[in-house]
Amino acid sequence: GQQLNQSPQSMFIQEGEDVSMNCTSSSIFNTWLWYKQDPGEGPVLLIALYKAGELTSNGRLTAQFGITRKDSFLNISASIPSDVGIYFCAGNTGANSKLTFGKGITLSVRP
Amino acid sequence: GAVVSQHPSWVICKSGTSVKIECRSLDFQATTMFWYRQFPKQSLMLMATSNEGSKATYEQGVEKDKFLINHASLTLSTLTVTSAHPEDSSFYICSALRTSGRALRNEQFFGPGTRLTVL
Repeated sequence: GQQLNQSPQSMFIQEGEDVSMNCTSSSIFNTWLWYKQDPGEGPVLLIALYKAGELTSNGRLTAQFGITRKDSFLNISASIPSDVGIYFCAGNTGANSKLTFGKGITLSVRP
Repeated sequence: GAVVSQHPSWVICKSGTSVKIECRSLDFQATTMFWYRQFPKQSLMLMATSNEGSKATYEQGVEKDKFLINHASLTLSTLTVTSAHPEDSSFYICSALRTSGRALRNEQFFGPGTRLTVL
């Protein structure tokens, strides 16, 4: 089946630093999504990408839909303590709207 | 964004009992809802697609007789874990699909999850 690859499993950064996360796939996705999940909560959508090459920002977050349709990255600039959480990428291939999730990256921010 | 609620937020039950989890879309009608399961430190795994007025579609390896799904209205889907066992203990998350004019722009809004612990 389709898989989305996210690594490393955990990232540790200093408050104020920028961080970049990648998500790759062996197959093509038509929509890429980035979610953040806090402990004991459901995922919350951060950014949605709909076109290959698209670059979209949401505050301190920037994400890009790779030209090959097989990858995406998320950048967080000037990190703050509340950025702590698990970041998932997800992809959608078509009309049934089913999402495939990556394994997630746990981000820790040291004050 | 839209609001999706789940009830209960957590439940503890004895092995062999059944547990019902509700998923409600509070500010839009959802013909389609999804049920996911998430084990600790793992990703969300899709269990089934819940379709209003018709049978749910289950992912490979998910027992439909064990995880009963009912989508009786455009704002409510329920997941019943029948004859629960300790290995069913997990975090169950639903999402409601808000449709737009273009299928690829349909958006899933997630509930806060239900923590099930089976003793």
